[in-house]
Amino acid sequence: AQSVTQLDSQVPVFEEAPVELRCNYSSSVSVYLFWYVQYPNQGLQLLLKYLSGSTLVKGINGFEAEFNKSQTSFHLRKPSVHISDTAEYFCAVSEVSGGYQKVTFGTGTKLQVIP
Amino acid sequence: DTEVTQTPKHLVMGMTNKKSLKCEQHMGHRAMYWYKQKAKKPPELMFVYSYEKLSINESVPSRFSPECPNSSLLNLHLHALQPEDSALYLCASSQDGRGYQPQHFGDGTRLSIL
Repeated sequence: AQSVTQLDSQVPVFEEAPVELRCNYSSSVSVYLFWYVQYPNQGLQLLLKYLSGSTLVKGINGFEAEFNKSQTSFHLRKPSVHISDTAEYFCAVSEVSGGYQKVTFGTGTKLQVIP
Repeated sequence: DTEVTQTPKHLVMGMTNKKSLKCEQHMGHRAMYWYKQKAKKPPELMFVYSYEKLSINESVPSRFSPECPNSSLLNLHLHALQPEDSALYLCASSQDGRGYQPQHFGDGTRLSIL
């Protein structure tokens, strides 16, 4: 069974400061990892994904994440945040169960950018 | 703009009503999903359709009845819901349900049960 842990429920950060949102996972099979962002009153939008290959993955809106197999982590980073980055961020792990894709989401981290 | 369209955006219904949620995508995706999301919680998987066939039912109560009339449409029929069913209902799709494919989400239907 797979699981995802996002230890930080809220992360306040000043505008233009760097930020890291932490994600740890466990999975018994091949790992496919995703970060999604959810703005208020909207659905989830894909930020980036790790499937294989380079452990540093670049996504939209200046975000990047690093896959670390030994630490089972997939932390999300941005060197300089903007007010518009205020949102809920979900880390997710995907596996195939019974021939069908099942995605398990972490509990989410609310990023609050302070002007 | 989202590529997965959900209607209605908001729905208020009584516990004895029957209503339906609708989801539509025109990306040619063959896997479609219903999720339930309570406030300040992650989405919880309810149903998975693969090539218009119900593949996964995550032990959802029978008052929720999914339907996939064709490869572009996904419905969720609601009947005799309870107040605890109030939530944001999200529809998603992926190319054909393989594990490495990201899911594309609609903006959801916010459901309130009186």
